[in-house]
Amino acid sequence: GAVVSQHPSRVICKSGTSVKIECRSLDFQATTMFWYRQFPKKSLMLMATSNEGSKATYEQGVEKDKFLINHASLTLSTLTVTSAHPEDSSFYICSAVAGATEAFFGQGTRLTVV
Amino acid sequence: DQQVKQNSPSLSVQEGRISILNCDYTNSMFDYFLWYKKYPAEGPTFLISISSIKDKNEDGRFTVFLNKSAKHLSLHIVPSQPGDSAVYFCAARNAGNMLTFGGGTRLMVKP
Repeated sequence: GAVVSQHPSRVICKSGTSVKIECRSLDFQATTMFWYRQFPKKSLMLMATSNEGSKATYEQGVEKDKFLINHASLTLSTLTVTSAHPEDSSFYICSAVAGATEAFFGQGTRLTVV
Repeated sequence: DQQVKQNSPSLSVQEGRISILNCDYTNSMFDYFLWYKKYPAEGPTFLISISSIKDKNEDGRFTVFLNKSAKHLSLHIVPSQPGDSAVYFCAARNAGNMLTFGGGTRLMVKP
């Protein structure tokens, strides 16, 4: 099946610094990628929709200046958490749509801000 | 406003028996439904899906049933195996390909 690679899988950063998370579709072109966040024992919450070559669409309540999304190519989308704070600590997951029926997910990134 | 709900946060089943995970939705515009399995600290993995024009889809031990009039879907796993123990999310897709997830159900299959 289609493969989506997310990197890094785990990152610890200091408060105030920025962290970039990459999401790559390895064997298909993804015109649309999605970024999710999962809080402990909670469901996956959609943060934003990333479209290749255009600005991302953010869900209500998600700060676009804090969570910068760039979808520079059909196989790569990046999420940058700017000026990270401890409350940004979470599990971030990307997904890419292949065709019309399935969304494939990356492995997720555990972000810890200290 | 939760458009997709999984009302049972956890379910415990004996190995070999049937596991039934339920999901309800409110948005009649959803056209596709999916079930994902998730282990801690990993991304969800796709299990099975069903189009809104069908009422049943079967794949090995997994069967998904859709009742459009009740806006309800369920995932049946039979026979259940200890390796099935995980959190299961149902998801509904809209025309923009966006997925809305339920809260998840933690399935524990006891040997």
